[in-house]
Amino acid sequence: AIQLTQSPSSLSASVGDRVTITCRASEDLSSGLAWYQQNPGKSPRLLIYDVSTLESGVPSRFSGSGSGTEFTLTITSLQPEDFATYYCQQFNRFPITFGQGTRLDFK
Amino acid sequence: QLQLQESGPGLVEPSETLSLTCSVSGASISRSNDYWGWIRQPPGKGLEWIGTFFRSGSTYYNPSLESRVTISLDTSKNQFSLNLTSVTAADRAMYYCARAPLSVMRYFDHWGQGALVTVSS
Repeated sequence: AIQLTQSPSSLSASVGDRVTITCRASEDLSSGLAWYQQNPGKSPRLLIYDVSTLESGVPSRFSGSGSGTEFTLTITSLQPEDFATYYCQQFNRFPITFGQGTRLDFK
Repeated sequence: QLQLQESGPGLVEPSETLSLTCSVSGASISRSNDYWGWIRQPPGKGLEWIGTFFRSGSTYYNPSLESRVTISLDTSKNQFSLNLTSVTAADRAMYYCARAPLSVMRYFDHWGQGALVTVSS
């Protein structure tokens, strides 16, 4: 199975900051990568799919990029509601796998 | 608008079978070209894909769980179900049902709120 390693595992930031989360894959993913946000006690919410396509309704301060085995999720100008845990997911090769998560909390 | 809702026992005894149902509203599973899946999350841990199915009956399971998992469809109720046999404490998790649009190898764009299952005697 493809392993996804997110870095950092946790991150402290302030409102208004720009943050970047990296997802590294053990194999080439082509464009089969998505990002999710999960708040405590809530279901994951799809943010970005196909590496860089923003899901409908997701604020434009979220963006995704990358290729091959390295991908990034960037949040510009952090808002209070953005402090959550973020997961990457690959759907390029069976079985579908997720990264271990990156927790973003207040500095 | 599409909504998914998990239901089922919150407590299962070790070695027994975990059974959950996902009720779908806002779309007909039997007519949809979407795929429907289950994902789980142990408390405080990450997400694990369990399996995905299509209305034709095609099913795709995580090899790590394949010997114990069955996903099935109840078209009359617009529901799909998860059965996981021979459960142990390691199967304690929040179980989510979700939709994968148009393909099995896809992201999940709609999720249920989750059902917490504890394994204990």
